[in-house]
Amino acid sequence: NAGVTQTPKFQVLKTGQSMTLQCAQDMNHNSMYWYRQDPGMGLRLIYYSASEGTTDKGEVPNGYNVSRLNKREFSLRLESAAPSQTSVYFCASSEAGVLQGKGLGQAPLHFGNGTRLTVT
Amino acid sequence: AQSVTQPDIHITVSEGASLELRCNYSYGATPYLFWYVQSPGQGLQLLLKYFSGDTLVQGIKGFEAEFKRSQSSFNLRKPSVHWSDAAEYFCAVVGSGAGSYQLTFGKGTKLSVIP
Repeated sequence: NAGVTQTPKFQVLKTGQSMTLQCAQDMNHNSMYWYRQDPGMGLRLIYYSASEGTTDKGEVPNGYNVSRLNKREFSLRLESAAPSQTSVYFCASSEAGVLQGKGLGQAPLHFGNGTRLTVT
Repeated sequence: AQSVTQPDIHITVSEGASLELRCNYSYGATPYLFWYVQSPGQGLQLLLKYFSGDTLVQGIKGFEAEFKRSQSSFNLRKPSVHWSDAAEYFCAVVGSGAGSYQLTFGKGTKLSVIP
């Protein structure tokens, strides 16, 4: 059982370049999330998707866009990368949802192994 | 706004010693609380969670945590640390009301284990 799979594992971009981080989960979870992790900052939510077809901004959405392609896949796009976006990016999923009786954030998160992005 | 404080940035313990990692939260009502562990180069893994009921919760890998409402704390403990427990540990809080979604993480405590 793969769980949450992120690609790529590492990426180096030049300022102004664009890229898409891919995430797929095989647990039939409703909700998916993108976090960034910076030293001494913990994890900060960029965007989330409560269910297929919906996306919403989190704490730090500026400079990012997302697409919930289907129930399994949730991608994060950097249209014009900046050095401030150098970070480790984590995708997560959870079974949160109305039918599950758990609000977003209340069901445990299942994380991928991260993408380490450097913007020069 | 809710918040989580992990006062210790880095803790070093000897293998076999007991461990307590501190977590204090700020939230106006009953929270849901989590502890996650992150091994180097990996994503976060859930150790344990508190939703309601017994304030002492057991998790994986021999960890436990105690919810103390009067102290707004949810400290993580382990009676005897193993070298494989070296990792970074994150406490997180979210509201228990319907629709709550803002899971807030602490900044983490890095645990080093001396053989």
